[in-house]
Amino acid sequence: GAVVSQHPSWVICKSGTSVKIECRSLDFQATTMFWYRQFPKQSLMLMATSNEGSKATYEQGVEKDKFLINHASLTLSTLTVTSAHPEDSSFYICSARDPRGGSTDTQYFGPGTRLTVL
Amino acid sequence: GQNIDQPTEMTATEGAIVQINCTYQTSGFNGLFWYQQHAGEAPTFLSYNVLDGLEEKGRFSSFLSRSKGYSYLLLKELQMKDSASYLCAVRVVAGTALIFGKGTTLSVSS
Repeated sequence: GAVVSQHPSWVICKSGTSVKIECRSLDFQATTMFWYRQFPKQSLMLMATSNEGSKATYEQGVEKDKFLINHASLTLSTLTVTSAHPEDSSFYICSARDPRGGSTDTQYFGPGTRLTVL
Repeated sequence: GQNIDQPTEMTATEGAIVQINCTYQTSGFNGLFWYQQHAGEAPTFLSYNVLDGLEEKGRFSSFLSRSKGYSYLLLKELQMKDSASYLCAVRVVAGTALIFGKGTTLSVSS
């Protein structure tokens, strides 16, 4: 299947700092990428939809000024957690929609980034 | 709102067959997905159903009934490595993000 990478795989930062997470589609061009967050023993919750060349669409309750999303190219989307706080500690996962998937329209997930804010 | 329900936990023994059910009530329907997720890892795609019926792929099969808002994932010849969380997800509109259930943690014992 298609490959999606994320970097870094884990990060520990101090409260108040900003952290950038990269999501790349390695073998296809993804016009749409999705950012999810998963707390322990919870399911994946959609944070935002990232569209190449346009502003991201955020889900209700997700602060767009705190979670900055940039989708500058067809293979890269970034999520920046600004002024991170301990409650932002979570597993952040991106997925990319493979337009070649036809009717399946499968989304492929990156390996995730575990963020711990001290 | 959108609602996807699946059991929280299930246990089974090696070699057995287990069925994980999923019911959904969503504002639309454009496909149902099953993913496997091991602890600390990202979900991996298992199956996709958009039409009623059974889709078989090796030891895994998935069934869909759109009229009942119901799906199940069937795992045969269970192996220890099948111990994981299984996520049921619905795509409401083509091209949009998936809505996930809370996942079913399957524990396989010898």
